[in-house]
Parts: sequence; C-alpha cells; structure tokens
Amino acid sequence: NAGVTQTPKFQVLKTGQSMTLQCAQDMNHNSMYWYRQDPGMGLRLIYYSASEGTTDKGEVPNGYNVSRLNKREFSLRLESAAPSQTSVYFCASQGLADTQYFGPGTRLTVL
Amino acid sequence: GDSVTQMEGPVTLSEEAFLTINCTYTATGYPSLFWYVQYPGEGLQLLLKATKADDKGSNKGFEATYRKETTSFHLEKGSVQVSDSAVYFCALITGANNLFFGTGTRLTVIP
Repeated sequence: NAGVTQTPKFQVLKTGQSMTLQCAQDMNHNSMYWYRQDPGMGLRLIYYSASEGTTDKGEVPNGYNVSRLNKREFSLRLESAAPSQTSVYFCASQGLADTQYFGPGTRLTVL
Repeated sequence: GDSVTQMEGPVTLSEEAFLTINCTYTATGYPSLFWYVQYPGEGLQLLLKATKADDKGSNKGFEATYRKETTSFHLEKGSVQVSDSAVYFCALITGANNLFFGTGTRLTVIP
C-alpha cells in the first residue's frame, strides 16, 4: 500500500517548456487534488477531481491543465512553463471524514 | 469567504517546553477542522482533527479543541521533543472540496 505517489521528485524547466506531473493513489479514493506550496502562502488549490471523469478549477488554475485518467491517476500539465510556476506541487486524495492524504511532492524550478 | 489564520512563525522552543500554535477561522457553515504536519522533505500528513464544536482532537501528545464561540482551534503540546520540529498547518473544510489551509507555522525544537 504505497498511498499517494508522485513523479518526478525534482524538475528544472526552461521558460516555455511543457511537462506533466504524475500522481497515483492506491486507496480507492474518489476525490483527488493538486496544490502548490509557496513560501508564506500555505497550500493553494490548483485543480481537483471529485470523481473519475470530472475536474474542476481551484483557486489558482491559470497556466495548468489536468487529466483524471482513471480512478487511480490524476495528472497536472504545464503547457508553457513560466518562472511564476516555480513551486512545490503536492497531489492529494481524500478519504473518509474529509481527511486528505498527500504525496511527497514535486519541486519544480522554471528558469 | 472561508479562511484560516494561523500564528506566524517561526517558533523556536527548547526540548520539554510547552507549545501553543494559534489558529482561528472564518466559515459560513459548520466546518471540520484539521491540523496537518509537514516534516522536512515530505508531504503533509494528518495530525489531528475535530468535526464539531467542543470536540477535542488528539494524537502523539498534541491536542486541539474546536471552539465555536471563539472560532479557534489552537494546537497545544505539553512537552515538545526535537522530533516535533516541522511545519504545522491548520485547515478547515466546509463542504465538498471547500478546503482551506493556513500559511503554516515552522517549529524548531532545540535540545
């Protein structure tokens, strides 16, 4: 039982490059989330998926797209990376009693 | 709108000192309240939670009581250890996918 896994752990991009962050959970949860964590700002919700086949915008969706590939997997795509997207990205899934389970994070730097 | 305000850090304490991290919230409904902890290089993990007024959440010697009259959910521990050094996040959820995190408080415990 791995919980929530994310790949890659670290990534460096140049401005304008694209990439996809992968997330998978093995807890059979319906809801999954993508957050970014920036110093002094806590976690901010980028997108979420309440169930397979559905996605919705969170607080800071601009510059990102998501895909809920199946119940296990929820990916985040940056089509044209910008320095403002330098951050640590966390994927989470939500279980019973609204408890969220987080992955280990992806540290992204955009030059 | 709904929000969480928590005590800014960083907080530095000596081992065996008493810890309080303040958290207050604003919510239109009846939120569930959480404390999450983030150890260096890891994702967030649930520390404790409370789902209704006057409930006390507890785990690993940490406690927090849901106070509706003061809209607070302060985190306390009677005797901190070096291993408690981490960043602590207060959070609330008011409904499906309405989850809000505080900005985090970094705690460092020195021997």
